[in-house]
Amino acid sequence: DAKTTQPNSMESNEEEPVHLPCNHSTISGTDYIHWYRQLPSQGPEYVIHGLTSNVNNRMASLAIAEDRKSSTLILHRATLRDAAVYYCIHPLTGSNYKLTFGKGTLLTVNP
Amino acid sequence: GAGVSQSPSNKVTEKGKDVELRCDPISGHTALYWYRQSLGQGLEFLIYFQGNSAPDKSGLPSDRFSAERTGGSVSTLTIQRTQQEDSAVYLCASSFAGYSNQPQHFGDGTRLSIL
Repeated sequence: DAKTTQPNSMESNEEEPVHLPCNHSTISGTDYIHWYRQLPSQGPEYVIHGLTSNVNNRMASLAIAEDRKSSTLILHRATLRDAAVYYCIHPLTGSNYKLTFGKGTLLTVNP
Repeated sequence: GAGVSQSPSNKVTEKGKDVELRCDPISGHTALYWYRQSLGQGLEFLIYFQGNSAPDKSGLPSDRFSAERTGGSVSTLTIQRTQQEDSAVYLCASSFAGYSNQPQHFGDGTRLSIL
């Protein structure tokens, strides 16, 4: 996966929205943007992915910039269960099955 | 509606022993992946299966590591003559197909400790 840049940590209060940013300035036109998260002692969990348009699912929304060089994962109402490390990646076309996580963003949710 | 299942969840063994780790992917998923994650480290790709074939096994660290998949379903990762540096969490994932528009779904891993 090519390099992405995320803040090391963010903090939120329960039931408030959370916006997790990610920069991916070297993304190519065919690379999908994926978000995963990992809770302590668990395997990574798929959150959402998209190519160009904004995407919504039951877990989150993904807002993709028009130039695709950045994206934002939106958790509409944070819960304590959302406390995790969030990883933004864009698997390279051609070796797109090899996921590589950087350090991600550690999200803390305060009750 | 089961997700990816891995067994055992924990394995402690002595250096030099062989270990076998099992992965049961989501039904209908043709692609299966093995990764490992060491404490505080990122995800390390090991091998990718499409059906029963492994088009990419470039991440296997040495010839002590091997993996197979049978019936397009269950996969086994075998580590022979284990070493202490093999201690890690071994993660299995599956996806509907091996393309970047298909998310990978992970199991909770096998935590392997080599004494």
